[in-house]
Amino acid sequence: DADVTQTPRNRITKTGKRIMLECSQTKGHDRMYWYRQDPGLGLRLIYYSFDVKDINKGEISDGYSVSRQAQAKFSLSLESAIPNQTALYFCATEGHGDHGELFFGEGSRLTVL
Amino acid sequence: GQNIDQPTEMTATEGAIVQINCTYQTSGFNGLFWYQQHAGEAPTFLSYNVLDGLEEKGRFSSFLSRSKGYSYLLLKELQMKDSASYLCAVKDSNYQLIWGAGTKLIIKP
Repeated sequence: DADVTQTPRNRITKTGKRIMLECSQTKGHDRMYWYRQDPGLGLRLIYYSFDVKDINKGEISDGYSVSRQAQAKFSLSLESAIPNQTALYFCATEGHGDHGELFFGEGSRLTVL
Repeated sequence: GQNIDQPTEMTATEGAIVQINCTYQTSGFNGLFWYQQHAGEAPTFLSYNVLDGLEEKGRFSSFLSRSKGYSYLLLKELQMKDSASYLCAVKDSNYQLIWGAGTKLIIKP
């Protein structure tokens, strides 16, 4: 089983709908991240959380919200989806080591029509 | 602004050596990462450099020159399974990761 699990893996929705992407991890890491990936662009940070009570906006947080329900769970919500939120979304946890490598989930591909 | 530059696409031959370059301009530096991402899959960690020099890990090596804002990833004895995108990322002064757009490496037989 994957250490970082995302659901759903694929979702097609319509403009204006509320969408939640869920992420759970079994690595015991405190730090979790949500990124989006678009063709030709680097990964862009949406939100991050250093622990259950610490949530921070990334560079592209507008139109998104998050919830850190427990150390192991970090959910991303699109309150009212729009077509330019069509992207591949990745959840990641950060390791405890000196350099803090990221461990990514398998990704959630979201299409907004 | 902060910027990471790497070539969009490279082609190499199975069994050969390829070098993927990455140049960066960031506010501060707290380490440089290379990740591998196969099509449709998640990125996976390859290497980390924080001091100048070469870090070797099997067929893969990564080099860093902080004064030049430059790194490269060297892949030796290329295999077909090395066909993937390679992502360069730098931790800035706030320990935030800045990502390059990635280099798509195509391996030909």
